[in-house]
Amino acid sequence: ELKVEQNPLFLSMQEGKNYTIYCNYSTTSDRLYWYRQDPGKSLESLFVLLSNGAVKQEGRLMASLDTKARLSTLHITAAVHDLSATYFCAGILNTGTASKLTFGTGTRLQVTL
Amino acid sequence: KAGVTQTPRYLIKTRGQQVTLSCSPISGHRSVSWYQQTPGQGLQFLFEYFSETQRNKGNFPGRFSGRQFSNSRSEMNVSTLELGDSALYLCASSPLRPDTQYFGPGTRLTVL
Repeated sequence: ELKVEQNPLFLSMQEGKNYTIYCNYSTTSDRLYWYRQDPGKSLESLFVLLSNGAVKQEGRLMASLDTKARLSTLHITAAVHDLSATYFCAGILNTGTASKLTFGTGTRLQVTL
Repeated sequence: KAGVTQTPRYLIKTRGQQVTLSCSPISGHRSVSWYQQTPGQGLQFLFEYFSETQRNKGNFPGRFSGRQFSNSRSEMNVSTLELGDSALYLCASSPLRPDTQYFGPGTRLTVL
């Protein structure tokens, strides 16, 4: 069974600062996803990482995947208030013909002035 | 392209009642998955349907069931509602399995 752990659970950071969210998973995951959720809203897909060493960037967010360490990171560069949200990582385990997302606990990011 | 739609968006029920939630996937998407989100348990997988067949099921009691129609629209049903069923129920669709899942706005269910 796939288990996904994120840390930290809560992150308060000042605008302009850099920080990293960590996502560890327990067993081989076919791919790793990052999602964003604003309060009261649904999940927005940010990145999908398919292979070891994969790195993807969008604006101030950069995600990477190290399959040997079973670790993915979401790096935030020069944070702005608009990035305040909860970020989830999720792994996917193909079980024969089926697949399901297993989510981490989420990291609530608060960017302050 | 229209996104995933879910109806109703909000629902209030009392214990013991049953409820049906509906999900219309993105056009062309054949896989539909359902998730429950609560503050205590986080996001948990309920089930996945592909081409009208349930392909995977999470660890939920038999009170939770679902189905998918030939047009890929899906419904989930919860019978004999309990207080602990209060949650945000999210539906997600994807064109293939596995693939990026695109989430709908959710149905917020409150059980009194």
